[in-house]
Amino acid sequence: LAKTTQPISMDSYEGQEVNITCSHNNIATNDYITWYQQFPSQGPRFIIQGYKTKVTNEVASLFIPADRKSSTLSLPRVSLSDTAVYYCLVGARMNTGFQKLVFGTGTRLLVSP
Amino acid sequence: GAVVSQHPSRVICKSGTSVKIECRSLDFQATTMFWYRQFPKQSLMLMATSNEGSKATYEQGVEKDKFLINHASLTLSTLTVTSAHPEDSSFYICSASFGGEQYFGPGTRLTVT
Repeated sequence: LAKTTQPISMDSYEGQEVNITCSHNNIATNDYITWYQQFPSQGPRFIIQGYKTKVTNEVASLFIPADRKSSTLSLPRVSLSDTAVYYCLVGARMNTGFQKLVFGTGTRLLVSP
Repeated sequence: GAVVSQHPSRVICKSGTSVKIECRSLDFQATTMFWYRQFPKQSLMLMATSNEGSKATYEQGVEKDKFLINHASLTLSTLTVTSAHPEDSSFYICSASFGGEQYFGPGTRLTVT
């Protein structure tokens, strides 16, 4: 299973764009990159998933360079409610679902007024 | 979207007793479910992989006789913490695989007194 490395914490202000980078040097050919958000005392919530290049949905964008050894989660115009822990995970996608996901340390994002 | 529920959301039990936590996929069938444990300010730690109709696969260091997992149907997996002790107090989270993604339950807060 590919190991991921993220910054332990980040600080931002409301309205700013936040970019969280994750490195996964040992990513395998079949691995997808998935980001989750977790609030205290809640289960992780899916944010976005990608394999290569750029993926965008209603809440975030995910940038993946050609070598796929890193990825960047971009949160546009964050608000106070975006204060949470963000996890980057890599795992192979199977017909019945992903293989087991191993969580790294995550990035604790604090958004201030 | 796919929804995973857990019951109970929080439980307090006395040392030496056993506690059962249920994980249900509400609107899909899940052949594979995962159980995680999370201590305060720490990341999720994978405990075991639960496969419907077969024995669970435990991660290294997790006592299979203490954390009993049963996946009797495609929508229900249970985790029983046997002879619980204060050090078992933690936040237990399950997830289920569906359509290439993993969906997490809201978690169960276990406090052993």
